[in-house]
Amino acid sequence: QSALTQPASVSGSPGQSITISCTGTSSDVGGYNFVSWYQQHPGKVPKVMIYDVANRPSGVSNRFSGSKSGNTASLTISGLQAEDEADYYCSSYTSSHTVVFGGGTKLTVL
Amino acid sequence: EMQLVESGGGSVQPGGSLRLSCTASGFTFSNYWFHWVRQAPGKGLVWVSRVKGDGTDASFADSVTGRFTITTDDAKNTVYVQMNSLRAEDTAVYHCVRGGQIGSYDPNVFDYWGQGTLVTVSS
Repeated sequence: QSALTQPASVSGSPGQSITISCTGTSSDVGGYNFVSWYQQHPGKVPKVMIYDVANRPSGVSNRFSGSKSGNTASLTISGLQAEDEADYYCSSYTSSHTVVFGGGTKLTVL
Repeated sequence: EMQLVESGGGSVQPGGSLRLSCTASGFTFSNYWFHWVRQAPGKGLVWVSRVKGDGTDASFADSVTGRFTITTDDAKNTVYVQMNSLRAEDTAVYHCVRGGQIGSYDPNVFDYWGQGTLVTVSS
């Protein structure tokens, strides 16, 4: 159950687009369309932004989108806003009937 | 209003035990999966365990297998995690999280999170 691999940090200017990658194996990300993305602001609980690779919960901005290719999932945020600055985590179901998170990515809006 | 409220955290010596509770309200408890997710201070999210609201189909992260058990009491709308043989690396805030509905396409989407309860393992 190794953690999924995410970049430690990404940054972008307001209005730009950024992409956060999440790399696993064929036993998790690559084997199932059960990848979710969570946003966590300091001192707050995480909030689901994307589920089942590319689905957005009601109320989440359409600036957030998800995709997957092979063993790597991606979260793209377009039209960056200051409020998007937060930590982002991916998660995936695994073949062991467990869930695994990525190590997290700190997004800085310059 | 949907709520998950955890309790039972505290300080314990290495090798000790704690039982965390999570009481749910605002939805039909037995229809959902429940998970525990922990976060050490300044660190990332780590999945710990999951169980159906009826107490079946439990699974655990490798790091806690054999030391933690998870149960439910649907009469009390409560999920419990019994943590034994605690180690320093178990120190974290433990969040109770609602997963998907039982029978849904993906039971591992975490839509409601409790505020968490802090467990500190130290001598």
